[in-house]
Amino acid sequence: GEDVEQSLFLSVREGDSSVINCTYTDSSSTYLYWYKQEPGAGLQLLTYIFSNMDMKQDQRLTVLLNKKDKHLSLRIADTQTGDSAIYFCAERANQGGKLIFGQGTELSVKP
Amino acid sequence: GAVVSQHPSWVICKSGTSVKIECRSLDFQATTMFWYRQFPKQSLMLMATSNEGSKATYEQGVEKDKFLINHASLTLSTLTVTSAHPEDSSFYICSAIGGGPTNTQYFGPGTRLTVL
Repeated sequence: GEDVEQSLFLSVREGDSSVINCTYTDSSSTYLYWYKQEPGAGLQLLTYIFSNMDMKQDQRLTVLLNKKDKHLSLRIADTQTGDSAIYFCAERANQGGKLIFGQGTELSVKP
Repeated sequence: GAVVSQHPSWVICKSGTSVKIECRSLDFQATTMFWYRQFPKQSLMLMATSNEGSKATYEQGVEKDKFLINHASLTLSTLTVTSAHPEDSSFYICSAIGGGPTNTQYFGPGTRLTVL
């Protein structure tokens, strides 16, 4: 079945780059997403990548997709304390737009 | 654009009562809405998918008589937790798809339900 895996924690220093990794199993996924969740809030869409792309950059965010290895990563450049949150990767299942979420990676940014 | 709201943002109720949570797409028409439940420090668990004007599709293990979903219009879906019990206490989040080629899900801010 479909499954998405993420590491649970990442700690970085302010100003460093953060790289959050994600693996998925469904090779037919068309879109892959990154969402950010701050405490007590809903999910904020950060970016998405279409499966025929290898890379997408949006300001401080860079998404890399290795379709062969089914590996997705999110790089945050110049990480700030405001970036501290839980980051979820998700793949879109074929049926009706449902998303399969990873467990979420808690990013902690230390000053 | 693509803003989804939820109301209320938090609610406390007594055991045995029913609670209704609203999910609205504010600046787009949502062909499909989803309801999720999230426990502390955990990922989102999809409860059901609702399409405007038709019955919701529930995920395995979710009681449809317990969690009533009504998608009455293209901008409003409601989730009613009937005869709530303390184990129903959770963070409930909705999302909406507005169509277009990416069918991206946009999420509401969530509703914190506490059942005493």
